[in-house]
Amino acid sequence: EVQLVESGGGLVQPGGSLRLSCAASGFTFSSYWMSWVRQAPGKGLEWVANIKQDGSEKYYVDSVKGRFTISRDNAKNSLYLQMNSLRAEDTAVYYCARGRYFDWLARSIDPRLSYYFDYWGQGTLVTVSS
Amino acid sequence: SYELTQPPSVSVSPGQTARITCSGDALPKQYAYWYQQKPGQAPVLVIYKDSERPSGIPERFSGSSSGTTVTLTISGVQAEDEADYYCQSADSSGTPHVVFGGGTKLTVL
Repeated sequence: EVQLVESGGGLVQPGGSLRLSCAASGFTFSSYWMSWVRQAPGKGLEWVANIKQDGSEKYYVDSVKGRFTISRDNAKNSLYLQMNSLRAEDTAVYYCARGRYFDWLARSIDPRLSYYFDYWGQGTLVTVSS
Repeated sequence: SYELTQPPSVSVSPGQTARITCSGDALPKQYAYWYQQKPGQAPVLVIYKDSERPSGIPERFSGSSSGTTVTLTISGVQAEDEADYYCQSADSSGTPHVVFGGGTKLTVL
């Protein structure tokens, strides 16, 4: 059974830092893209970042570029999100999600293939407030 | 930036058919995916590649695509289907930049 368990959330002051972790089990972690998605209180889902299986490619939503860093440790089956220079608008539940993305060959055959999430963790709440 | 547009709310009576639309200019070039989120829970994938259903998802959930609009259809709606539904796709940049629709609250009357 695929399991994703986030940790590391909490209350932090504006301008502060926080590191989220996601422990993965039930699948071969090193074979999958991984992602962070967040949801502000009472709001919709917002994609935050993706990382390739070997960590060689990383993608971010514009609003977190230069402040957040996604990383992974395949030996520990773990995904991380380092969040710096936090702002009130970063307050949200942060979900770890397993990504599905197809290699260039598959996408050359079916150009409509795009990234999606097939399993999600339960989330960890990050509150940025003074 | 690329956007996906969903109606904020849809209401149906039990046993009826609910249709939730999602519009976006890049949808003819990129597949759409649908997630169900119940209060206090994580999202669950219910449709992938416009119309494919993951294992374990009831057959009453289906998806379709026409031009710049994709539609999630729930036939024979049950009370347990009351939830927020989000469509998701990617922009046409060729990179895995993900976009979500704003979400639709399905109310079962």
